[in-house]
Amino acid sequence: GAGVSQSPSNKVTEKGKDVELRCDPISGHTALYWYRQSLGQGLEFLIYFQGNSAPDKSGLPSDRFSAERTGGSVSTLTIQRTQQEDSAVYLCASSLGGARPATDTQYFGPGTRLTVL
Amino acid sequence: LAKTTQPISMDSYEGQEVNITCSHNNIATNDYITWYQQFPSQGPRFIIQGYKTKVTNEVASLFIPADRKSSTLSLPRVSLSDTAVYYCLVGGRLSGSGNTGKLIFGQGTTLQVKP
Repeated sequence: GAGVSQSPSNKVTEKGKDVELRCDPISGHTALYWYRQSLGQGLEFLIYFQGNSAPDKSGLPSDRFSAERTGGSVSTLTIQRTQQEDSAVYLCASSLGGARPATDTQYFGPGTRLTVL
Repeated sequence: LAKTTQPISMDSYEGQEVNITCSHNNIATNDYITWYQQFPSQGPRFIIQGYKTKVTNEVASLFIPADRKSSTLSLPRVSLSDTAVYYCLVGGRLSGSGNTGKLIFGQGTTLQVKP
């Protein structure tokens, strides 16, 4: 079956512009996560969705970052007024969710490589 | 969430067994231990998960001693394609409000398999 897909695979933007990154989770997965991987910071958690709600936004680095999920499926991560330090690979993962997410296997997408010039 | 410590890098040769040990001295009672593998330009991929003793699947084995303060990922007869970064993670809670299952990644171990 289809795995997690992300688009675009690469995005180059100018400082100050807004960008939207899309994630299509595995069908039937209620939990969705966004992570960011950069050379200086490694792989870090950004936000978690269960269904359409986001009970954990603790990893979002600033109020320029936001995310939404509609229909319990597709999620969009939006970065406003991008800065050079936002350059990273943004990874999305999904899992079955439910009562025991700690033991859920998270399936990662290929990521979106964002470069802010 | 428990912090993990693992070697930054390891080298091995094709056909050898590779053991990567991870320390997690502050692991909580409800924490599981999970290992992920990441190839360049790809997202991490789940390898194996365990709570105690030994777990084996078609890819690897995971050994967890009784005190659960460490764990060892064992890769039998590695090949060049096993060259990747391996992450040891502990955390999450089994139940209760606020349980998100978010993964906290450390630096990982870069395994280089040589011919």
